[in-house]
Amino acid sequence: GAVVSQHPSRVICKSGTSVKIECRSLDFQATTMFWYRQFPKQSLMLMATSNEGSKATYEQGVEKDKFLINHASLTLSTLTVTSAHPEDSSFYICSADIEGGETQYFGPGTRLLVL
Amino acid sequence: RKEVEQDPGPFNVPEGATVAFNCTYSNSASQSFFWYRQDCRKEPKLLMSVYSSGNEDGRFTAQLNRASQYISLLIRDSKLSDSATYLCVVNMRGGGADGLTFGKGTHLIIQP
Repeated sequence: GAVVSQHPSRVICKSGTSVKIECRSLDFQATTMFWYRQFPKQSLMLMATSNEGSKATYEQGVEKDKFLINHASLTLSTLTVTSAHPEDSSFYICSADIEGGETQYFGPGTRLLVL
Repeated sequence: RKEVEQDPGPFNVPEGATVAFNCTYSNSASQSFFWYRQDCRKEPKLLMSVYSSGNEDGRFTAQLNRASQYISLLIRDSKLSDSATYLCVVNMRGGGADGLTFGKGTHLIIQP
């Protein structure tokens, strides 16, 4: 199946710093990538939809100025958590869909811990 | 009302038994339905899509009831390796891959 990678797999940072997470589709081109967040014992929640070459679409309640998304190429989308705070600590997962496909392929996720 | 609702469990089931769990969804216009499996601290992985006619993949059978807006998953001859959280996933925005709506998952523990 299609492969999606994420980097880094885990990161620990101090409060107030910014963290960038990369999501890559390795063997296919993804015009659309998605960013999800999962808190412990909670469901995955869609944060935003990232479209190559255009602005991301954010879900209600997700601050676009705090979670910066860039989808500069058909194989790479980045999520930057700006001025991270402890409440941003979570499991961030990206996914990508193949054009014409029905479902999504998920990256392995990034565990963010903000101290 | 939650958009996708599942019994969180845990379901403790002896190895070799058959286990079934359901999921309900709120949006009657939903088009696509899936079961994903998520292991502890890992990303979700697609288990199977769910079609109106029902579909089977080895020991796994998925059913969709549009009238009642629920989806089911049946696992026969359960294995220890089936222990995981099973996520009911719905595409509520029409055809094609789009932002998916996840249930919280049903935690399954297969006991030796």
